[in-house]
Amino acid sequence: DGGITQSPKYLFRKEGQNVTLSCEQNLNHDAMYWYRQDPGQGLRLIYYSQIVNDFQKGDIAEGYSVSREKKESFPLTVTSAQKNPTAFYLCASSPFFVGVNTEAFFGQGTRLTVV
Amino acid sequence: AQKVTQAQTEISVVEKEDVTLDCVYETRDTTYYLFWYKQPPSGELVFLIRRNSFDEQNEISGRYSWNFQKSTSSFNFTITASQVVDSAVYFCALSEARGSYIPTFGRGTSLIVHP
Repeated sequence: DGGITQSPKYLFRKEGQNVTLSCEQNLNHDAMYWYRQDPGQGLRLIYYSQIVNDFQKGDIAEGYSVSREKKESFPLTVTSAQKNPTAFYLCASSPFFVGVNTEAFFGQGTRLTVV
Repeated sequence: AQKVTQAQTEISVVEKEDVTLDCVYETRDTTYYLFWYKQPPSGELVFLIRRNSFDEQNEISGRYSWNFQKSTSSFNFTITASQVVDSAVYFCALSEARGSYIPTFGRGTSLIVHP
C-alpha cells in the first residue's frame, strides 16, 4: 500500500545526543515536509524539500538538520543544539503544487522525549 | 504572509449536539487552497476536505459540512449530531503560490464529545 512511514514511533534521547527520525514515502511525491507539534501550538514547519538534493528552512529550523538524497526519503536529525526537543514530529509528503490536485499526506508521527 | 487562525482551543459537547469549528485565514494570493484535517489520539492527520479559492460552494459529506466564505475569509466546519468517535483535534490549513504551496496550519481545535 502507498503511504508514508515514520520510524520509530517513540524515541527517547539523552540530553546532548543527536538523534535521527526516519521518514519514507512510496507515493512518488516530489515534496516532503517535517512539522513539529507541541500542545496548543499547532503544526510548525521545520524543514521542507520540494526536489531531491534541495531543502529549505521552515519557521523553526534551528537545532535541526535534514537531507534529501533520495526522492523517497527525508530524514530529520535533532541535534544537541535544539534546546527543547521533546515534541511530536510529523512527516508529510505531497505533489509539488499542494492543493491543485491533491492534499498533503501524513505519517503516523514520532514522539521524541528527552530524558 | 499566509496565516490561519483557529480561535477555539477546545470545544466540549454532548453526543448528538451540532458543533461548528471556526477557521479564519489571511492571504494575498487570489489562488489558494484550504484544507481540514482530523487528528485522532493515534496522532496521524487524516485528510477531510480540500477547497480552492474559486469554489465557494458549500459541501456536505454525511454528518460533516463546510462553509467557505471569501467575504469573511472563513472556512468553517460543522459536525451534525456529533458522536464520541468525532473526538479529536481538528486542523485547518492553507496553501498558496506565494508560499510555495507549503501548507500552513492553524493551532487546531480539540473537540471532546461526551456520551
